[in-house]
Amino acid sequence: EVQLQQSGAELGKPGTSVKLSCKVSGYNIRNTYMHWVNQRPGKGLEWIGRIDPANGNTIYAEKFKSKATLTADTSSNTAYMQLSQLKSDDTAIYFCTLYNRGYFDYWGQGVMVTVSS
Amino acid sequence: EIVLTQSPTTMAASPGEKVTLTCRASSSVSYMHWYQQRSGTSPKLWIYETSKLASGVPNRFSGSGSGTSYSLTINSMETEDAATYYCQQGSSYPPTFGSGTKLEIK
Repeated sequence: EVQLQQSGAELGKPGTSVKLSCKVSGYNIRNTYMHWVNQRPGKGLEWIGRIDPANGNTIYAEKFKSKATLTADTSSNTAYMQLSQLKSDDTAIYFCTLYNRGYFDYWGQGVMVTVSS
Repeated sequence: EIVLTQSPTTMAASPGEKVTLTCRASSSVSYMHWYQQRSGTSPKLWIYETSKLASGVPNRFSGSGSGTSYSLTINSMETEDAATYYCQQGSSYPPTFGSGTKLEIK
């Protein structure tokens, strides 16, 4: 069974960074792309970017190019996303998800990031 | 970027009622995918490649469409179908989602 286990809720102060993790079991992340999606309170889903864990290649949505940094550790089958220069607008739930021929078939449980002083 | 417009934004249906949700793309896409999200949970893949039901999805659900116009249909609404449904295209980067249709039970 494929499972994506995300790290716990984060509370960050404005201007600081947080690093989220997503550990995958039941599937080798070298064989897929790991994507990240967010959902602001009461809003819809927004694509952030993706990483190819096999070679570290990344693609980001334009608005997240200077906000998010995606990495992956194939030895631990874990993907990471660092969010920098936090602002209140970054308060959201962040999901990791596995990509399969154009759609996202497995999702993490999501992690709430709250930005507050 | 391809913009997906879902309609209606919100709707309520009675048990047994037929329900159709629509998703229109700003440019032609090869397939449309749909997700169900219940409050406080992560999205679940519901329909992929326009018309294929994900594992465990009841067969009262169906998907159809082509080009720029797609739909998700529930043949007979049940209480457990109350949720928000999002469409998503992966035909061109970046992948984009519609803004969702919140489906409630009457």
